[in-house]
Amino acid sequence: DVVMTQTPVSLPVSLGGQASISCRSSQSLVHSNGNTYLHWYLQKPGQSPQLLIYRVSNRFSGVPDRFSGSGSGTDFTLKISRVEPEDLGDYYCLQSTHFPYTFGAGTKLELK
Amino acid sequence: EVQLQESGPGLVKPSQSLSLTCSVTGYSITSNYWGWIRKFPGNKMEWIGHISYSGSTSYNPSLKSRISITRDTSKNQFFLQLNSVTTEDTATYYCARRYYGYTYFDYWGQGVMVTVSS
Repeated sequence: DVVMTQTPVSLPVSLGGQASISCRSSQSLVHSNGNTYLHWYLQKPGQSPQLLIYRVSNRFSGVPDRFSGSGSGTDFTLKISRVEPEDLGDYYCLQSTHFPYTFGAGTKLELK
Repeated sequence: EVQLQESGPGLVKPSQSLSLTCSVTGYSITSNYWGWIRKFPGNKMEWIGHISYSGSTSYNPSLKSRISITRDTSKNQFFLQLNSVTTEDTATYYCARRYYGYTYFDYWGQGVMVTVSS
């Protein structure tokens, strides 16, 4: 299985500040079709996960441009600028290039 | 609007089977892919498997000997059965739509917490 190493586990931030979360995979996430299936989710307390970024850098419908994704191969980053209260929660990366799909262990974004 | 709703027992005894239903409204399950994902206490998330628009299935090899995902297109529902459960299967179970070739899960149910305990 592809191991997704997500860091940090906890990320204290100030409102209005910036946050950066890393996800590294144990093997390349470039599919044989040339696409990279690395996605980012936010799970707010009491809610189901919501898709933020798909295929590395594409914001899902309705996601503010404060969220951005980047990376390639085995190294990926989610950045959140101008953090707002509704951004707090648990962030996960998901790879769906290889079966079985695997998630990162999660990063809790919380107030400093 | 696509909506998914899980249902099933919240408590299952060890060695028994866990059966969950995902009811979908606003979209036909004869399109796209429909999956199950679980989140353990401690926050680890695991993809369980999915069923396609044609009824073919893909399962996580770690669970393959114990799981079955089926569907009833007349009711627009799909199902998860997990056999021989142990306390390690205690988790919140989510159903979700996997969007075609993009392979992300875009619409999720609210989740159902299942505890395995005698």
